[in-house]
Amino acid sequence: DGGITQSPKYLFRKEGQNVTLSCEQNLNHDAMYWYRQDPGQGLRLIYYSQIVNDFQKGDIAEGYSVSREKKESFPLTVTSAQKNPTAFYLCASSKRTTGNTIYFGEGSWLTVV
Amino acid sequence: ELKVEQNPLFLSMQEGKNYTIYCNYSTTSDRLYWYRQDPGKSLESLFVLLSNGAVKQEGRLMASLDTKARLSTLHITAAVHDLSATYFCAVDEGGTSYGKLTFGQGTILTVHP
Repeated sequence: DGGITQSPKYLFRKEGQNVTLSCEQNLNHDAMYWYRQDPGQGLRLIYYSQIVNDFQKGDIAEGYSVSREKKESFPLTVTSAQKNPTAFYLCASSKRTTGNTIYFGEGSWLTVV
Repeated sequence: ELKVEQNPLFLSMQEGKNYTIYCNYSTTSDRLYWYRQDPGKSLESLFVLLSNGAVKQEGRLMASLDTKARLSTLHITAAVHDLSATYFCAVDEGGTSYGKLTFGQGTILTVHP
């Protein structure tokens, strides 16, 4: 089945650690995105990528890093510089044309312990 | 900076009643999305509205877009319990940054018997 796969679904991070969230899609979409959702709030854009080997900062990029070496993959690293990383992280993808549906993965819950 | 505001933020409805959720946004855009989110789950795409006057319907939900008023509405007809969820509108900034969505805060809908 086509879709977006995020892993792990649940992740615990110790203070000072970097962690990486995986996002893989087999929809042949060019564009991929990472959003963060805090409890009871809407989503905020962290990074987005419209083509391989290129990505742009979103509204809350500080403390995060990404790479886009393959069309199918857009991993997100939450670095120790991100002071409040506990949140629900959602990866999304879409075709690279105006007005296409943006599809979301199942999400990853990150908790700092 | 694009701002998106939904109201109401909380909506408690009786089964069988009708109601409307409003989504206002602050800058010119003709690309607006509605999503549904169940607790602890990812986002499910409901509607993509791409032009002034666009109206789309699916089951008991109907969405419309007025780009001149910078307003979208999500109308619920004869609510049923299964519609209980959080509903988000999201606006695409447009231009070359397609897919870069700014979300509203979400409307938590609870349908009571």
